[in-house]
Amino acid sequence: DVKVTQSSRYLVKRTGEKVFLECVQDMDHENMFWYRQDPGLGLRLIYFSYDVKMKEKGDIPEGYSVSREKKERFSLILESASTNQTSMYLCASSLTGFGANVLTFGAGSRLTVL
Amino acid sequence: DAKTTQPPSMDCAEGRAANLPCNHSTISGNEYVYWYRQIHSQGPQYIIHGLKNNETNEMASLIITEDRKSSTLILPHATLRDTAVYYCIVRVSRDDTIIFGKGTRLHILP
Repeated sequence: DVKVTQSSRYLVKRTGEKVFLECVQDMDHENMFWYRQDPGLGLRLIYFSYDVKMKEKGDIPEGYSVSREKKERFSLILESASTNQTSMYLCASSLTGFGANVLTFGAGSRLTVL
Repeated sequence: DAKTTQPPSMDCAEGRAANLPCNHSTISGNEYVYWYRQIHSQGPQYIIHGLKNNETNEMASLIITEDRKSSTLILPHATLRDTAVYYCIVRVSRDDTIIFGKGTRLHILP
């Protein structure tokens, strides 16, 4: 069964802390994505990657960075967490080409920044 | 950019077919219709997609009108586990990434 695994289901961090959210997929997918989901705002794309060491900004990249050193792993980094980054973070992956919009999502990481 | 219109919520009795409508009157000729759902506290789950022809898989059926301006997702025998938010997506950004709207909250009633 294909899987996208997010390292932490729940995190609580303090303002100013550096936060790493890890995502691993076992499907050999080329594409990986990070979204955040907030009530009333839906899912918004933060960053995505089409290949190792490649990254593209989504709709709301400010305050975030990403790393993709290996094909199966895509990390989201909050350099200095702020309270407005309290959210549910969702990682997804997909094949390239025709299957690019068929995303497999992880279970999500709920981050609270105090 | 194509956009979708979905009812914010719907109810369906358990065991009945759930028919979820979606309007996408500005869809372009080469844009697919995708359906995802999100069960509470989980990540979205892909259901089905189609271009022109009706599609069916183990989860659902997708009926697309001949003019492609609307579609219906059909869950043939709804169960309580089908309670979720259902997203109809035709909008693809300039980067070819899909964009989620607000969806329809489907309540399956026992």
